[in-house]
Amino acid sequence: AQSVSQHNHHVILSEAASLELGCNYSYGGTVNLFWYVQYPGQHLQLLLKYFSGDPLVKGIKGFEAEFIKSKFSFNLRKPSVQWSDTAEYFCALKVGANNLFFGTGTRLTVIP
Amino acid sequence: DTGVSQNPRHKITKRGQNVTFRCDPISEHNRLYWYRQTLGQGPEFLTYFQNEAQLEKSRLLSDRFSAERPKGSFSTLEIQRTEQGDSAMYLCASSIQGSNEKLFFGSGTQLSVL
Repeated sequence: AQSVSQHNHHVILSEAASLELGCNYSYGGTVNLFWYVQYPGQHLQLLLKYFSGDPLVKGIKGFEAEFIKSKFSFNLRKPSVQWSDTAEYFCALKVGANNLFFGTGTRLTVIP
Repeated sequence: DTGVSQNPRHKITKRGQNVTFRCDPISEHNRLYWYRQTLGQGPEFLTYFQNEAQLEKSRLLSDRFSAERPKGSFSTLEIQRTEQGDSAMYLCASSIQGSNEKLFFGSGTQLSVL
């Protein structure tokens, strides 16, 4: 069975601080990983994805994530957060043919 | 707005009633997904269509749930004999085959079963 663990439920940072959100997975098949973001009052949208190749993936709005196979991790990072990054962040694993298995999410609050 | 559209935004119903939600995907997207999200959890996969064919269903989709996409465009999700445990946000998403699963989500329908 698959699993996606996001151990940080709520992270509070000041503007300009660096961000790292943890994501660990367990899956016996081909690993395809995603980070989705949900800004307050908005729908879920894709931040970045990893399918193969370079394990360091760059996404929108200055976010990046690194796939570390040996650690079963796909942590999300941003060197300097802004107030507008306040949102809920979901790590997801593609399972089966066409569905995503989501983690429980991490709520990020950035204080101006 | 040419994104994924879901109606209604909110639905309050009494236990035992039937409810139906509608999803209009992005027009050129041939894949359509339904997810359910409860408070403090991430979205959970319910079912997936490619064109009009329902190709995958989760074990979460009990016999009281049925989804259709009759012409390969919009989709409906019906819940019969609703239970309080059905209260959740029901999300629809769409994608283009071969897009490496970049899903575009709608804003969801919030169901409250009293």
